[in-house]
Amino acid sequence: GQQLNQSPQSMFIQEGEDVSMNCTSSSIFNTWLWYKQDPGEGPVLLIALYKAGELTSNGRLTAQFGITRKDSFLNISASIPSDVGIYFCAGRDNQGGKLIFGQGTELSVKP
Amino acid sequence: DSGVTQTPKHLITATGQRVTLRCSPRSGDLSVYWYQQSLDQGLQFLIQYYNGEERAKGNILERFSAQQFPDLHSELNLSSLELGDSALYFCASSPLIPTEAFFGQGTRLTVV
Repeated sequence: GQQLNQSPQSMFIQEGEDVSMNCTSSSIFNTWLWYKQDPGEGPVLLIALYKAGELTSNGRLTAQFGITRKDSFLNISASIPSDVGIYFCAGRDNQGGKLIFGQGTELSVKP
Repeated sequence: DSGVTQTPKHLITATGQRVTLRCSPRSGDLSVYWYQQSLDQGLQFLIQYYNGEERAKGNILERFSAQQFPDLHSELNLSSLELGDSALYFCASSPLIPTEAFFGQGTRLTVV
């Protein structure tokens, strides 16, 4: 079945540092989505990508849809303590429309 | 607020019991997805409905079933509950197949 490999699994950084995480897939996706989840809460959509090669920003967040359509990355610049949480990538297939999620990257930011 | 409403927020029940989780999608959204998230786990896709019809199925147990009603709200039924079914259950909705999906706050199910 389809799988998403998200890395790294966890990151411990200093406030002000930049962060990069990525997802790779064994299958082609038509849509890549990035979410942030706080403990006990639902995932919140950060960025949506629809075209191969697309680069999209949302404030300090930047994400790209890989040219091969099998990967995506998310960058966070100048991290702040409220960036703490788990970041998930998700790919949408072109068959049923279901979203497949990566295993998440847990981000910790030290003030 | 994503606009997706899930009830109840918390549920505690005994093994062997049956529960129903409810999801109201964002106004106008036709697709509803159900996901299970166990402790320290990622989001496991269970099932998707589009405008009342089942669209895709994930690793959903036979003890679990779902449906989407004419008013587009959805229910996830979990029966013969086991301790391992304790998890967060999320519903998400999207307006059209290839667009964003927005998640509710989840239902935390605890089976004792």
